[in-house]
Amino acid sequence: AQSVSQHNHHVILSEAASLELGCNYSYGGTVNLFWYVQYPGQHLQLLLKYFSGDPLVKGIKGFEAEFIKSKFSFNLRKPSVQWSDTAEYFCAASYSSASKIIFGSGTRLSIRP
Amino acid sequence: DSGVTQTPKHLITATGQRVTLRCSPRSGDLSVYWYQQSLDQGLQFLIQYYNGEERAKGNILERFSAQQFPDLHSELNLSSLELGDSALYFCASNKDGPTYNEQFFGPGTRLTVL
Repeated sequence: AQSVSQHNHHVILSEAASLELGCNYSYGGTVNLFWYVQYPGQHLQLLLKYFSGDPLVKGIKGFEAEFIKSKFSFNLRKPSVQWSDTAEYFCAASYSSASKIIFGSGTRLSIRP
Repeated sequence: DSGVTQTPKHLITATGQRVTLRCSPRSGDLSVYWYQQSLDQGLQFLIQYYNGEERAKGNILERFSAQQFPDLHSELNLSSLELGDSALYFCASNKDGPTYNEQFFGPGTRLTVL
C-alpha cells in the first residue's frame, strides 16, 4: 500500500538554525508531492508542491523541497528558521493510481527564540 | 482564510450519540474531502465527494457517513459515538476532483466525546 513516512516527530531548533525535515514516500507509480503546514490553532496550508519538472521546488515563506526520485524522498528545507515557523508540518503524496492523498504523520517544529 | 467554512467549531457530546458536521467548500469547488486528525492516528483521509457523488473512500468507519448536497455543501454524520472518535475533523475542497490538485482546508471541527 502507498504510504508516506516522516521520521522526525518533534524537532527543536534555535532561531536562525537551518532546517531539514525528512519525508519518504513509497513507490506507486507517478506521484505528486506536497508539504502542508499547520500553525497552532489554524488550518492546514500548502507550503509547496511538486508535480513534475525541476526537482527543487520553492514554496512560500522561504521554504524549499527537493524531490529525489532514487531515494523516494521529498525533504523540506529552510536555511534560517524563525520563531514564527513553529508549527506542524505534513508531507503528503497523491498517486495517479489512487484517488486520494496520503499524509505523513507530521513533524512538530518548535523554535526557541 | 482558505474560503472553506466548517461548523460548528467545537462539539461536545456523549458516547452513543450522533452528530453532524457541516462543510461549505470554496466558491466554485466541486470536490469535498473529509479528514480526521487525532493524536494517535495522525491525519487520516475519510471520504471524498465530487459534485454530489462519492469519489473515493479512505479509512471511514461504518458508523460514519457523508453526503454532498446540490449546493455542494457537505455533511459528515458520526453515529454511535465512542471515546476514540474524539478528534479534529477537517474538510477540504478543490475545483475539479483530481487529488493531485492542491486542497484548501477549513478550520476544522473539534469533537469531544465524553
